[in-house]
Amino acid sequence: DVKVTQSSRYLVKRTGEKVFLECVQDMDHENMFWYRQDPGLGLRLIYFSYDVKMKEKGDIPEGYSVSREKKERFSLILESASTNQTSMYLCASNVAGGAPSTGELFFGEGSRLTVL
Amino acid sequence: DQQVKQNSPSLSVQEGRISILNCDYTNSMFDYFLWYKKYPAEGPTFLISISSIKDKNEDGRFTVFLNKSAKHLSLHIVPSQPGDSAVYFCAVWSGNLIFGKGTKLSVKP
Repeated sequence: DVKVTQSSRYLVKRTGEKVFLECVQDMDHENMFWYRQDPGLGLRLIYFSYDVKMKEKGDIPEGYSVSREKKERFSLILESASTNQTSMYLCASNVAGGAPSTGELFFGEGSRLTVL
Repeated sequence: DQQVKQNSPSLSVQEGRISILNCDYTNSMFDYFLWYKKYPAEGPTFLISISSIKDKNEDGRFTVFLNKSAKHLSLHIVPSQPGDSAVYFCAVWSGNLIFGKGTKLSVKP
């Protein structure tokens, strides 16, 4: 069964802390994505990666960085967390050229981050 | 400016009736459209898609209609079931997925 696993379901951090959100997929997918979901704003793309060590900015990359050292792992980093980064963070993956031919992104269960 | 718009934040429907969720897009060059479903505390899951060469795609109780001239698509769920209660996101493929803000569907028994 396909699996995208996010390391932490719930995190509480303090303003200014460095935060790592880890995502691992076991489907040998080339593409990996980080979104955040906020009420009334839908899903917004932060960063994506189409290959190891490659990364591309999405719509809202400010305040975030990413790391893709291995094909199966894509990390989202908040260098200095702020309260406006309190959100649900969703990792996803698909094969190279996956959508539209398959139409699918496979999502993890999400990491709910609260920054106090 | 929003490229994908879901203008109804919420929709309430009686069990057994039809649910119609709407989505508008701005760019006539978009050619692949998808619907995702999301339960609380879970990641979104792919539901159904449609290519611009079609105007309808059906999968069981779910049908997506595409009106290219109006730049509008809709998702019909017939009959609606309480387990369909979730947030539904419309999305378009443009190198990556662009999502709408979602519509929360509540199906009441």
